[in-house]
Amino acid sequence: DARVTQTPRHKVTEMGQEVTMRCQPILGHNTVFWYRQTMMQGLELLAYFRNRAPLDDSGMPKDRFSAEMPDATLATLKIQPSEPRDSAVYFCASGFSGKLTHEPPEMSGTDTQYFGPGTRLTVL
Amino acid sequence: QKEVEQNSGPLSVPEGAIASLNCTYSDRGSQSFFWYRQYSGKSPELIMFIYSNGDKEDGRFTAQLNKASQYVSLLIRDSQPSDSATYLCAVRSAGGTSYGKLTFGQGTILTVHP
Repeated sequence: DARVTQTPRHKVTEMGQEVTMRCQPILGHNTVFWYRQTMMQGLELLAYFRNRAPLDDSGMPKDRFSAEMPDATLATLKIQPSEPRDSAVYFCASGFSGKLTHEPPEMSGTDTQYFGPGTRLTVL
Repeated sequence: QKEVEQNSGPLSVPEGAIASLNCTYSDRGSQSFFWYRQYSGKSPELIMFIYSNGDKEDGRFTAQLNKASQYVSLLIRDSQPSDSATYLCAVRSAGGTSYGKLTFGQGTILTVHP
């Protein structure tokens, strides 16, 4: 049963502490996305990788957030120092970018993103 | 103007009725369109995707796409209380470095009452 896994599922920390969230994408997927979801802003894209290379991190506050993909099976999102306004649910999603069949991805649906269970972060 | 807009609802329909969820998008070059369902406290899960104009049916769900009007909708026939959730519309950007990037709407809360 292939699925995206995320750890930890819940994290409560104090302002100023470092937070590291981890994601294991579905085996064979070559794109990884980090999203943040809040009631006010909805689902926001923070960063995304293709073939482990960062493609777009324009949605991420650069001064405190960093995203890396040390290998194909692990993506990390770090916040240092954390602030109360960072409290949210952080989702990782993975997908495949490219052609698995003779059809373009938009036809075969291979560009579909699959979400992990999320990390609920509370910064006090 | 937001890139992907949805009516936040809540949309309330009786059990057995048809629920109609709507979404508009601003990027004319968008190529793929997705509907995700998100139960409270859970992660978004894919319902279906559509890429060409017209209708696409999957069980009780029908996605409709009109690229000229930049409009995509989701119909849920014979709505059940278990369909009560937030429905997220997502649009995939055209090529280049944004390839694969999805832009999500704010979501529509659907409540199906017995």
